[in-house]
Amino acid sequence: EPEVTQTPSHQVTQMGQEVILRCVPISNHLYFYWYRQILGQKVEFLVSFYNNEISEKSEIFDDQFSVERPDGSNFTLKIRSTKLEDSAMYFCARGRGTDTQYFGPGTRLTVL
Amino acid sequence: KQEVTQIPAALSVPEGENLVLNCSFTDSAIYNLQWFRQDPGKGLTSLLLIQSSQREQTSGRLNASLDKSSGRSTLYIAASQPGDSATYLCAVTKAGTALIFGKGTTLSVSS
Repeated sequence: EPEVTQTPSHQVTQMGQEVILRCVPISNHLYFYWYRQILGQKVEFLVSFYNNEISEKSEIFDDQFSVERPDGSNFTLKIRSTKLEDSAMYFCARGRGTDTQYFGPGTRLTVL
Repeated sequence: KQEVTQIPAALSVPEGENLVLNCSFTDSAIYNLQWFRQDPGKGLTSLLLIQSSQREQTSGRLNASLDKSSGRSTLYIAASQPGDSATYLCAVTKAGTALIFGKGTTLSVSS
């Protein structure tokens, strides 16, 4: 059983459109994370979310990004106006801050 | 700014060989270090977590060591198998939050 599920597995969108990527942690953890991996590059941290608030964010996580946990279970990443360079794999992860982080299978975002 | 480097970038070995993957980090003030496995087009699978106070962790044929003062970690894989073929990622955290990743070592084990 996966630790974290993500939907959709693949999203294709036009430049300038808004996308919402979803994550459902199986277990009840306090910390949630979003990371991205551009093809051929390192996995990069975007944002961490603790106790329903952003606890840390990277310089990549600018005003076009936002995160929410709208119903206490789903955890979403919204990109307001997608750019070509947003094309990447987006991974959700869960953890307890100091322990192992468990990653979902990822959403491949393709911006045309 | 913390930088994580993994050497080699790629490695090909015959089945049965023991091998070592290397990871170095520039800031020794880490909280923990985690090794992951990534199969092509897939997510990350956690292999081992070493807390900063520990020197090594073992899981099956895998052994990871940590020398925090020198900024180095190694992942030792014993008796490699074709199913071990994947990219192995090293990542460190400071204050237990964001993971900072290396670019990975892509391992190919031939039968």
